[in-house]
Amino acid sequence: GQSLEQPSEVTAVEGAIVQINCTYQTSGFYGLSWYQQHDGGAPTFLSYNALDGLEETGRFSSFLSRSDSYGYLLLQELQMKDSASYFCAVFYNQGGKLIFGQGTELSVKP
Amino acid sequence: SAVISQKPSRDICQRGTSLTIQCQVDSQVTMMFWYRQQPGQSLTLIATANQGSEATYESGFVIDKFPISRPNLTFSTLTVSNMSPEDSSIYLCSGLTGNYGYTFGSGTRLTVV
Repeated sequence: GQSLEQPSEVTAVEGAIVQINCTYQTSGFYGLSWYQQHDGGAPTFLSYNALDGLEETGRFSSFLSRSDSYGYLLLQELQMKDSASYFCAVFYNQGGKLIFGQGTELSVKP
Repeated sequence: SAVISQKPSRDICQRGTSLTIQCQVDSQVTMMFWYRQQPGQSLTLIATANQGSEATYESGFVIDKFPISRPNLTFSTLTVSNMSPEDSSIYLCSGLTGNYGYTFGSGTRLTVV
């Protein structure tokens, strides 16, 4: 079967750093993606990791450990506009489909 | 990156009727998918829209209920058939538009009464 686990909610203050963890159990794993979704909006692509290690894109970084079936999204210098839901998603090697975790609601406080 | 136009953005439908949702991509995409999302919840994959052949459905979803067409590499439709209130949800199309990055349409908020 397929399962992804991530915390349901996280709260942090402006300027801080927050890490959102994701563990997965699945066959056919090809890579781990992260998406951001604001209320009422469409999910937007943040990052993708196929290999172990850290990928950095501006204030956002994503990490993957295939041996631990674990990844995280790191958000630095938090801003109010970062308040949103963040989804980890497994990219499958067959068919290229994307299966989403339950999402983490991030609240950034002043 | 590509832009996906999805319509309608919202609709209120009577039970027993059908609604067809359309997605148009401004460039060719190899893979297109349809998802369903309840407000405040995760995205559930309905099916992979295959160009020129029958869609591939995930467990719990069937062609009779959610017929999908994909006549070319830039367009797809999802029909929600014989609707019931349980079908009330947000429906999203997506396409693989970059290196492993998916672009989503803006969603169709469906309410069945």
